[in-house]
Order: sequence, then structure tokens, then C-alpha cells
Amino acid sequence: DGGITQSPKYLFRKEGQNVTLSCEQNLNHDAMYWYRQDPGQGLRLIYYSQIVNDFQKGDIAEGYSVSREKKESFPLTVTSAQKNPTAFYLCASSIMGQRRPNQPQHFGDGTRLSIL
Amino acid sequence: ILNVEQSPQSLHVQEGDSTNFTCSFPSSNFYALHWYRWETAKSPEALFVMTLNGDEKKKGRISATLNTKEGYSYLYIKGSQPEDSATYLCAFRANNAGNMLTFGGGTRLMVKP
Repeated sequence: DGGITQSPKYLFRKEGQNVTLSCEQNLNHDAMYWYRQDPGQGLRLIYYSQIVNDFQKGDIAEGYSVSREKKESFPLTVTSAQKNPTAFYLCASSIMGQRRPNQPQHFGDGTRLSIL
Repeated sequence: ILNVEQSPQSLHVQEGDSTNFTCSFPSSNFYALHWYRWETAKSPEALFVMTLNGDEKKKGRISATLNTKEGYSYLYIKGSQPEDSATYLCAFRANNAGNMLTFGGGTRLMVKP
């Protein structure tokens, strides 16, 4: 089945440590996104990518980094510079393009990151 | 940062009740309004993508309306069932934002049998 796979489901990080969250999609979507959710808040955009080897900062990019070396993969690294990384992280993808505007985003199941 | 608000934050209804909730968004620079349903332990799934003022969309017992001039959308659930229990998210897409969405905080619906 086509979909988005995020791993791991749960992740624990020690203070001062970088961790990488995986996001893979087999939907052949051009665009991919990373969101963060904190308790009682909506989804906030961290980074997004519309094409391989290109990505843009979202509203809360500080302390995070991404890469887009392959169309299928958009890993997110939470660096030690992110002072409050405990949150739920969701990856999404969507079709891009003028011929099919207004396509919804498709989401993974998320990764919950906690600080030890 | 765009302001997208949903109300109420949470809602408890009895099975069989009809309910509705609101998403408010900027009335200028509108491109599209998305609705998603997010059940516990699952991933959010798309319900509707709405683009035209006055648009009304329906999927089973769930329907949504759109008023872009005043900047709001309503989501209605007719005859709520326990399986409708979920968080309902709306997301605003601005005209100059590419595919980027700004999400509201969600309305958490709990339907008691």
C-alpha cells in the first residue's frame, strides 16, 4: 500500500545529543513537510521541501535541520540547539503542480520525542 | 504568522446529537481551506479541500461550508456516532504560500454512547 512511514514511533534523546527522525513516502509526491505538535496546540510547520535538493524553513525551523537527497525521503534532525525538543513530530507529503492544485496532505503516524 | 483559530477546543456530545464547530481564518489572500480528521493513534486524514466562497461539501454525515469573505468555515456532523470521536483540524492556505498550510489548534470531539 502507498503511504508515509515514520520511524521510530518513540525516541528518547539525552541532553546535548542530535537525533534524526525518518520519513519515507512511496506516493511519488513531490512535496514533503515536517510539523511539530505540542499539547493543546495545532500543527506548526518546521521545514518543507517541494523538490529534491531544495527545502525551505517553516515557522519554527530554529534548532532543526533537514535534507532531501531523494524524492522518497525527508529526514529531520533535531539538533542540540533545539532547547525544547519534547514534542510529537508529524511528516506529510502532497502532490505539487499547476495541473492538480489543492491536493490534501497525507500524513505519517508520527514520532514522539522525549528528553531523558 | 497567520492566525487560524478553531472553536470550541473540545466538545462532548451524546450519540445521535448533531454538532458543529468553527474555523476562522484571514479573509484576505485566501486560496484554500482544508479539513482533516485525526483519530487517536492514527494519522490525520483529509476530509475536504474547499476553495470557493459559498462552497459546501459533504462526506456521509459530515459536511462543511465556506465563507471566504468573512473568513470562516463550519464543519457539521449529523447524528454523531462514537466512531466520530477525533480531533478535527482546519488548515488555511494563503494565495502566495505555495503548498504551505497554517493549521488551527483543532476541535476535539468526544461522542458518548
